Amino acid sequence: AQRVTQPEKLLSVFKGAPVELKCNYSYSGSPELFWYVQYSRQRLQLLLRHISRESIKGFTADLNKGETSFHLKKPFAQEEDSAMYYCALGGTSYGKLTFGQGTILTVHP
Amino acid sequence: DGGITQSPKYLFRKEGQNVTLSCEQNLNHDAMYWYRQDPGQGLRLIYYSQIVNDFQKGDIAEGYSVSREKKESFPLTVTSAQKNPTAFYLCASRGDSYEQYFGPGTRLTVT
Repeated sequence: AQRVTQPEKLLSVFKGAPVELKCNYSYSGSPELFWYVQYSRQRLQLLLRHISRESIKGFTADLNKGETSFHLKKPFAQEEDSAMYYCALGGTSYGKLTFGQGTILTVHP
Repeated sequence: DGGITQSPKYLFRKEGQNVTLSCEQNLNHDAMYWYRQDPGQGLRLIYYSQIVNDFQKGDIAEGYSVSREKKESFPLTVTSAQKNPTAFYLCASRGDSYEQYFGPGTRLTVT
């Protein structure tokens, strides 16, 4: 069975501080990991995927297969980063995604 | 703002009534999905469809039904058998990659 765990429901940081949103997964196959973000009053959208190894809006995430983790990081948080973040696991048939419980990030001025 | 649309944005129903949520996409995607979003539980998959006239149950299909008669449309019916229907419902579609594109959601309140 596949599972995604985001241990923090809420995360608060101050503007300019580093931020790390944790994501751990369990999956026996070759995983595809994603981070989705939902800003206030906007639809859920893809932030980044591990396979592209890119930085979006200053965020990066590295897949660590040994620790089965895909933590999302940003060195200097901005107020506009405040949102709900979901980690998602793919790699199964039919393109299904398994989502974590989500982390609400609040960046204070 | 095309892509994938859901209607209505808010829906209120009395307990015991069936209700149908609309989901339409103009992205020419084959796959479509319905999720339920509850606080602290993330997104849970209700039903999905890989192609027209075919669909499969997701993790929490009980009390829901779907149809996929057209590529563009994937309506979800919340039946009276669903014990906790009040929730935020999200529809998504997918093309060739694993990326799913989401609609704006429908908030259903059943009293």
